[in-house]
Amino acid sequence: SQELEQSPQSLIVQEGKNLTINCTSSKTLYGLYWYKQKYGEGLIFLMMLQKGGEEKSHEKITAKLDEKKQQSSLHITASQPSHAGIYLCGADSGGYQKVTFGTGTKLQVIP
Amino acid sequence: SQTIHQWPATLVQPVGSPLSLECTVEGTSNPNLYWYRQAAGRGLQLLFYSIGIDQISSEVPQNLSASRPQDRQFILSSKKLLLSDSGFYLCAWSVGGGTGELFFGEGSRLTVL
Repeated sequence: SQELEQSPQSLIVQEGKNLTINCTSSKTLYGLYWYKQKYGEGLIFLMMLQKGGEEKSHEKITAKLDEKKQQSSLHITASQPSHAGIYLCGADSGGYQKVTFGTGTKLQVIP
Repeated sequence: SQTIHQWPATLVQPVGSPLSLECTVEGTSNPNLYWYRQAAGRGLQLLFYSIGIDQISSEVPQNLSASRPQDRQFILSSKKLLLSDSGFYLCAWSVGGGTGELFFGEGSRLTVL
């Protein structure tokens, strides 16, 4: 089965600082998803990457999938308190969008 | 537009009692439906997924079962809860036969005492 390892597990940054979260897969990624979760709530879809070398941006968040399609990074520029939450990467693991998730990265942004 | 409703939001149950969590999707037809569980220190684990009425696959052996009595209704059940069933349960849907994101409900927090 596919395993996703995220690093770091938790992160505390000062408002305005940039940060990067990594997601590494034990197998080739054929669909990589990034989600954000606020504590005690459902997940909000951020971005999906499918092609090696692909990069997508939404507002101040940029996600990349490496050429070998085994690693993805999520970069936040000029972080804000609204960016705080748990970020999870997920991978499509066998059709019907059976998504396997990493253990998550908890982000705190200090004003 | 499509919406997903999940209830109850919070549940406290004694060990050995039954469980029923419900999830309903509106605004779409023939969705894929999913139940995930998020337990402390264990990440988000896929429990069941369904591609159609009465077509349900279990991902991990456990004390839970799922049913899909109608196209847009997904129910998670247990006859006798265990302490280890405690956690945050999330229902999700995706476009049937498509590729793309999962849409999640707000979650149900279950505490088994």
